[in-house]
Amino acid sequence: AQTVTQSQPEMSVQEAETVTLSCTYDTSESDYYLFWYKQPPSRQMILVIRQEAYKQQNATENRFSVNFQKAAKSFSLKISDSQLGDAAMYFCAYRGIYNTDKLIFGTGTRLQVFP
Amino acid sequence: EAGVAQSPRYKIIEKRQSVAFWCNPISGHATLYWYQQILGQGPKLLIQFQNNGVVDDSQLPKDRFSAERLKGVDSTLKIQPAKLEDSAVYLCASSLERNTEAFFGQGTRLTVV
Repeated sequence: AQTVTQSQPEMSVQEAETVTLSCTYDTSESDYYLFWYKQPPSRQMILVIRQEAYKQQNATENRFSVNFQKAAKSFSLKISDSQLGDAAMYFCAYRGIYNTDKLIFGTGTRLQVFP
Repeated sequence: EAGVAQSPRYKIIEKRQSVAFWCNPISGHATLYWYQQILGQGPKLLIQFQNNGVVDDSQLPKDRFSAERLKGVDSTLKIQPAKLEDSAVYLCASSLERNTEAFFGQGTRLTVV
């Protein structure tokens, strides 16, 4: 079975600085998707960035980028130029391709942004 | 474009009572998911529908939980009878088709006392 592990329950960053959130996963599949979701107090899960496992190039979305290390099964999220609005819970998630399309989530990292 | 709508936003019930949650997915989305998010954990899939058929309900506690998606649009999730450990946020999500981006609603926070 696939698992997703986020070992940082909480992280904090100063406004305008850079922070990296860690995620590791376990799977026997060769093709899959990885995601980072943001969950603000409103509870709505918002997709931040996604990575296809077959792509070697790391995904980027404006201030958000990932470091995808397939062999190490590592998928970290880097937030550059942090803003107060980035404060939220961040969840790493895995989705297989062939047998299921359910999302498997980690336990989340609470990010605090200080002015 | 309207997002995924869920109601109610909050619900408090006593154990052994029943409760129902409602979800209206984004128009045209064929796939609908119900996730349970217990405090301090990530969401866990309870059930997935493709149109009005069930794709995956392997983690749904079928002795007390039920869900339906009549006419392949709106869906309801019911718990009867509720237990203390059912206290959680219940998130509904929808996607255009399987294996496409899932969009989430704001969830229903259930407290069982």
